[in-house]
Amino acid sequence: EAQVTQNPRYLITVTGKKLTVTCSQNMNHEYMSWYRQDPGLGLRQIYYSMNVEVTDKGDVPEGYKVSRKEKRNFPLILESPSPNQTSLYFCASSAGAWNYEQYFGPGTRLTVT
Amino acid sequence: AQKVTQAQTEISVVEKEDVTLDCVYETRDTTYYLFWYKQPPSGELVFLIRRNSFDEQNEISGRYSWNFQKSTSSFNFTITASQVVDSAVYFCALGRSNDYKLSFGAGTTVTVRA
Repeated sequence: EAQVTQNPRYLITVTGKKLTVTCSQNMNHEYMSWYRQDPGLGLRQIYYSMNVEVTDKGDVPEGYKVSRKEKRNFPLILESPSPNQTSLYFCASSAGAWNYEQYFGPGTRLTVT
Repeated sequence: AQKVTQAQTEISVVEKEDVTLDCVYETRDTTYYLFWYKQPPSGELVFLIRRNSFDEQNEISGRYSWNFQKSTSSFNFTITASQVVDSAVYFCALGRSNDYKLSFGAGTTVTVRA
């Protein structure tokens, strides 16, 4: 089954404790992206990647890192999480540019205390 | 900078009523893409439609229809004869063709009452 998976689905952590949210797709997609969803703000793009070793900032990259060492994986790293990073995070992938549908993962709800 | 505005925060209708969701966008690009996504209460994001800036044809898919008007920078979405299963948050989004950034509106929550 074609899908985008994220782990963990729920995470409660404390300020400053490094964490990684994994994202994996099994569709051989070139494009992958991370978004955060906050009430009243919709989804905001954090980082995106057009291919292996190619990443670029979205609208809200501060406090986040990403890497794309393999085509299928695009982990989101929070080196020193803060309470303002409490949010619902979505990973997405698509075959290429906007002519292709973007598939979203199920979301990861992160709480930083 | 590009921006998407969904001025309606919440809409509540009774089943079988029609509902129109407004989406207004701002961009300086001549080539861009517009999208609608649905987020039901279960939380996943479901792709509904994509339009590129050169295709102003309106589209109908079952009870869903979309009206793209470049002159007013709008890409509105209408649900005809709404059903309870249409209750969801709907997002409009704008994609740039030169850097693959995607900007979402704040979303409109639609509640359809039986």
